[in-house]
Amino acid sequence: DSGVTQTPKHLITATGQRVTLRCSPRSGDLSVYWYQQSLDQGLQFLIQYYNGEERAKGNILERFSAQQFPDLHSELNLSSLELGDSALYFCASSPQIADTQYFGPGTRLTVL
Amino acid sequence: GQNIDQPTEMTATEGAIVQINCTYQTSGFNGLFWYQQHAGEAPTFLSYNVLDGLEEKGRFSSFLSRSKGYSYLLLKELQMKDSASYLCAVRPSNYQLIWGAGTKLIIKP
Repeated sequence: DSGVTQTPKHLITATGQRVTLRCSPRSGDLSVYWYQQSLDQGLQFLIQYYNGEERAKGNILERFSAQQFPDLHSELNLSSLELGDSALYFCASSPQIADTQYFGPGTRLTVL
Repeated sequence: GQNIDQPTEMTATEGAIVQINCTYQTSGFNGLFWYQQHAGEAPTFLSYNVLDGLEEKGRFSSFLSRSKGYSYLLLKELQMKDSASYLCAVRPSNYQLIWGAGTKLIIKP
């Protein structure tokens, strides 16, 4: 158990819908990262927050957005969902910006 | 551009030793990470190298040569539970990791 929590564990929804994924970092960690992993694919970095501010952006679609709240938890919002958005979404956290990342268990999103 | 190469898949025998290579070309270098990921589960941290040489941690060791842009993960006394994907990631700057596609390791009895 890494100490990073993610909810929900599974999410099944329809095309065109909007969902919100939630992540609570390890106690004391200020940096949160979001990743997407499609079936049998590598990790795709989406976005990073540090102490409430966006610090780095990867291959995140315009339909996706995220934020980190004052209590340091983070949410990833996915809208206008498409079949291709079906994937595992991982959140990771680290104490500071450049430290080792520890991953949560992931949210498995299925878009039907 | 920035690139990390790892073999797609490797097969080894239980009890044996296997070496998983990772080569990288990045603009800058501030460390290399190895993670283990079982199918459908989260990646878990294995090792971190920032200086040249070998870091040993139980059955797992990781080696780095910065001049060659090369690292390997060495797994000894292989067990069936070591069947997983092994991800190499390089930190070229202080913000973002560049991830390899991962090496799927299959252990046979």
